Amino acid sequence: AQRVTQPEKLLSVFKGAPVELKCNYSYSGSPELFWYVQYSRQRLQLLLRHISRESIKGFTADLNKGETSFHLKKPFAQEEDSAMYYCALSGSQGGKLIFGQGTELSVKP
Amino acid sequence: DAGVIQSPRHEVTEMGQEVTLRCKPISGHNSLFWYRQTMMRGLELLIYFNNNVPIDDSGMPEDRFSAKMPNASFSTLKIQPSEPRDSAVYFCASSFRAGGGRQFFGPGTRLTVL
Repeated sequence: AQRVTQPEKLLSVFKGAPVELKCNYSYSGSPELFWYVQYSRQRLQLLLRHISRESIKGFTADLNKGETSFHLKKPFAQEEDSAMYYCALSGSQGGKLIFGQGTELSVKP
Repeated sequence: DAGVIQSPRHEVTEMGQEVTLRCKPISGHNSLFWYRQTMMRGLELLIYFNNNVPIDDSGMPEDRFSAKMPNASFSTLKIQPSEPRDSAVYFCASSFRAGGGRQFFGPGTRLTVL
């Protein structure tokens, strides 16, 4: 079965601390993995995807096929990073996305 | 392009009433998705269309929910009759099928059923 698991509903860190939002997936094939972010009162927007291998706003994520994980990391969290983060999986080109439950990141001053 | 447009942004209605949510996808996109977001269940895919044709409606909760896409620039999600448990934020998203899975989301419609 296709599934995305984000084990933490809430992650609270202090400004300047490292942050890691966990994402594990279940998929029999070669999925595309994404991180979407939803800032307060804003629409969901793409943060990054594994095929781009890019760093956006200091965030990176590496696809680990052996551990079926796609954890999101940032070495120094900022208050403006506070938001809801969703990990998502797509099993086919341009097809539907399967979302995890989301992790709320709270960065305290 | 203004992005994905949804209307209304907020809807408050009474149980038993019909509710229609509207979505205008980004011009040129050929896939459209309807999601529901709740605290308990997170983001759930309700239905999606490719080239105006419904492809997967397995997420539609029950027969009270229906969705249409009469043309490439418009889609509706209808709930009839509405129930308090339908209260949620409903998102529409669109994508270009060959675009590698990236979806562009609308601002959402916050539905409250009393």
